[in-house]
Amino acid sequence: KAGVTQTPRYLIKTRGQQVTLSCSPISGHRSVSWYQQTPGQGLQFLFEYFSETQRNKGNFPGRFSGRQFSNSRSEMNVSTLELGDSALYLCASSLGLTWDEKLFFGSGTQLSVL
Amino acid sequence: GQQVMQIPQYQHVQEGEDFTTYCNSSTTLSNIQWYKQRPGGHPVFLIQLVKSGEVKKQKRLTFQFGEAKKNSSLHITATQTTDVGTYFCAGPVDSGGYQKVTFGTGTKLQVIP
Repeated sequence: KAGVTQTPRYLIKTRGQQVTLSCSPISGHRSVSWYQQTPGQGLQFLFEYFSETQRNKGNFPGRFSGRQFSNSRSEMNVSTLELGDSALYLCASSLGLTWDEKLFFGSGTQLSVL
Repeated sequence: GQQVMQIPQYQHVQEGEDFTTYCNSSTTLSNIQWYKQRPGGHPVFLIQLVKSGEVKKQKRLTFQFGEAKKNSSLHITATQTTDVGTYFCAGPVDSGGYQKVTFGTGTKLQVIP
């Protein structure tokens, strides 16, 4: 069974640009969660999608948005990039049926904003 | 808001020494999970604890869930260089009727050979 796939692995952007990250969950998983990881802030929850609906959202500005497609693949978009958006963006998938399921993480997308 | 904190933030140990990281939640958790992230890698699920006072062991790793289900600990006996990484606890935190898995701040373990 293929794991969680995130593309691209690395991205370099400049301030003001926008970026789209992709996450393909494990087959059969309907929940995709996104996390931002920075050295000083740990893993910060961005949002969670289940069956194409955003089920939960963290405390991030509206520049951060996402969506999920009918095949459960998810994309995350960040508009008007700021230097502080430089981070490792991780997505995690699970069946999404209960809140005690373990999360399977992708390898992440390392975003650098110059 | 509800928070999940871990201490210490960093720990350096000599190989063979023991290591413990503590996780504390401001509210009761229905369950707690532990993940390990190797340097340059992504978090990988280690274990889940559900019952009050539960203790689980995986080889040299011992996990405990507090009686009040608000704290947890991970203890590693006789650390090895393969134990290097950041250990995170995580629990479902209520958020407006739904729950989101909230990760602790993490403890970064460095093992000196």
